[in-house]
Amino acid sequence: GQQVMQIPQYQHVQEGEDFTTYCNSSTTLSNIQWYKQRPGGHPVFLIQLVKSGEVKKQKRLTFQFGEAKKNSSLHITATQTTDVGTYFCAGMLAGTASKLTFGTGTRLQVTL
Amino acid sequence: GAGVSQTPSNKVTEKGKYVELRCDPISGHTALYWYRQSLGQGPEFLIYFQGTGAADDSGLPNDRFFAVRPEGSVSTLKIQRTERGDSAVYLCASSLILGVEQFFGPGTRLTVL
Repeated sequence: GQQVMQIPQYQHVQEGEDFTTYCNSSTTLSNIQWYKQRPGGHPVFLIQLVKSGEVKKQKRLTFQFGEAKKNSSLHITATQTTDVGTYFCAGMLAGTASKLTFGTGTRLQVTL
Repeated sequence: GAGVSQTPSNKVTEKGKYVELRCDPISGHTALYWYRQSLGQGPEFLIYFQGTGAADDSGLPNDRFFAVRPEGSVSTLKIQRTERGDSAVYLCASSLILGVEQFFGPGTRLTVL
């Protein structure tokens, strides 16, 4: 079945440092979504990427969708303590209507 | 407006018992999804509804799990003969239409003793 892996599993940075998480799917995706889950909270939608090679920015966050639509990345510039949480990519398999397969997640810890 | 709500927030039951978990989606959202999340893992897809019908139930682990959405709004996830391995947080999400951002509820933490 479809698998979505993320690396790293965990990253600890000092506030102000950059952070990147990578997402890889075993199969081609129709689109990919990114969610953030704070400790003890529920996933909150960040963005959706649909087009091959697409790049989207939200303030300090930059999202990319690979040319082959099998990988994606999230880059945070100058992390803040409010960025703490687990970041999940979630892929929708090409040809399927709406079933999302979540990645394994990257837990980000930011300290002063 | 109100977000997705789930009840109960916590449920402790004994092995072999039957449980029902309820989800109230955002008003007007046609699509509703159920996921299960174990500690340290990503949400695992169980089933989704488009309107009243289960459009894809391929994630339900076995026939002890069943979900309904009789009027196209509220949904109930039913688990028969619970097992300790069913312990997890059960998340519900809804979206305005298929294929767009999903809004998650706070989840129901199920503990099977």
